[in-house]
Amino acid sequence: DGGITQSPKYLFRKEGQNVTLSCEQNLNHDAMYWYRQDPGQGLRLIYYSQIVNDFQKGDIAEGYSVSREKKESFPLTVTSAQKNPTAFYLCASSIQGIGGYTFGSGTRLTVV
Amino acid sequence: EDQVTQSPEALRLQEGESSSLNCSYTVSGLRGLFWYRQDPGKGPEFLFTLYSAGEEKEKERLKATLTKKESFLHITAPKPEDSATYLCAVLMNSGGYQKVTFGTGTKLQVIP
Repeated sequence: DGGITQSPKYLFRKEGQNVTLSCEQNLNHDAMYWYRQDPGQGLRLIYYSQIVNDFQKGDIAEGYSVSREKKESFPLTVTSAQKNPTAFYLCASSIQGIGGYTFGSGTRLTVV
Repeated sequence: EDQVTQSPEALRLQEGESSSLNCSYTVSGLRGLFWYRQDPGKGPEFLFTLYSAGEEKEKERLKATLTKKESFLHITAPKPEDSATYLCAVLMNSGGYQKVTFGTGTKLQVIP
């Protein structure tokens, strides 16, 4: 079955640590996205990539980094510079400019 | 400023009690409007895409409609399994590229 796989489902980070969230898709979609979801707020775009080896900052990119070395993979690193990283992180993909997104099942990151 | 507003924030219905969820938007260059369903702790699940005013889409007990300023998600004779948060999102042209803005969602609870 085609879809998006996010891992891990739960992640705990100590202050000062960098952590990487995995996102893999087998839908052959060109575009991939990372969103952050906080209670009472809409999904906010962190980074997006429309093609391999290219990515753009979204609305809240500070403290995050990404790479897009393969079409199928779009990992997100939450760096120690992100001051409030506790949130639910969602990865999505789409056919460029057409239709809606397919989302992964999310990663819940907690700072301990 | 581009905005997507969903109302109500929360809705509690008795099983079989039909109602509507609203998504109003103030954007320029609307390319499409999407509805998603999100269960707790999971990623959003795509429901519908609407592209132009007057368009309607149906799926089981759900029907989505679109006007020039808002979209409605009508739920007919809901069942407890329809309980979820419903998100709308707008695809628009912004500064020469395409942008998606999400609303904050309507949390629906259907009581048996």
